Amino acid sequence: RKEVEQDPGPFNVPEGATVAFNCTYSNSASQSFFWYRQDCRKEPKLLMSVYSSGNEDGRFTAQLNRASQYISLLIRDSKLSDSATYLCVVNSGGSNYKLTFGKGTLLTVNP
Amino acid sequence: ETGVTQTPRHLVMGMTNKKSLKCEQHLGHNAMYWYKQSAKKPLELMFVYNFKEQTENNSVPSRFSPECPNSSHLFLHLHTLQPEDSALYLCASSQEWLAGTYEQYFGPGTRLTVT
Repeated sequence: RKEVEQDPGPFNVPEGATVAFNCTYSNSASQSFFWYRQDCRKEPKLLMSVYSSGNEDGRFTAQLNRASQYISLLIRDSKLSDSATYLCVVNSGGSNYKLTFGKGTLLTVNP
Repeated sequence: ETGVTQTPRHLVMGMTNKKSLKCEQHLGHNAMYWYKQSAKKPLELMFVYNFKEQTENNSVPSRFSPECPNSSHLFLHLHTLQPEDSALYLCASSQEWLAGTYEQYFGPGTRLTVT
């Protein structure tokens, strides 16, 4: 099982749609979880950290299920500007600083 | 945004050249990282420095040599690279780990082509 595995995508959705990304991780000792977005030929940018209780930031909702080792990101009312690759990121077990990145899921929001 | 800057943004070098990549962070962080991103592959961690001390070398070939003179600056010295080393090299920084937050912030990257 890969350390961090994401939906392979790509996702193509119309503006206003709700889209969900799923991610699983293999190391049960992982403690820190993040979603980053990466625009084409740009650097990854932190979208949100993921907390045990789940967290929401505007149209974005992240959830964590430790028992299933599963993380999700929900985007509501998607905008054209949401088009990007979404990266699921997990710290590598006992190491606080060592992050493992998923391959990413490409989202294209169409007018 | 100028939190983490990298120079040069693009670099083309021959296999016998020596060059250096530079990273500077203006966020007051104490940990800095080098990552490699090749086409269609996830980001790969190369090196980690915490308070200027190298704490991670992720089995990186010796033709890549990092240097961290202080908590704000990080270099990656390159020599006798191979064409397969062509990639986007990203620098990142974060607060020191004892602070309890490990969110990493990335620079714009150096797109390296080895000919």
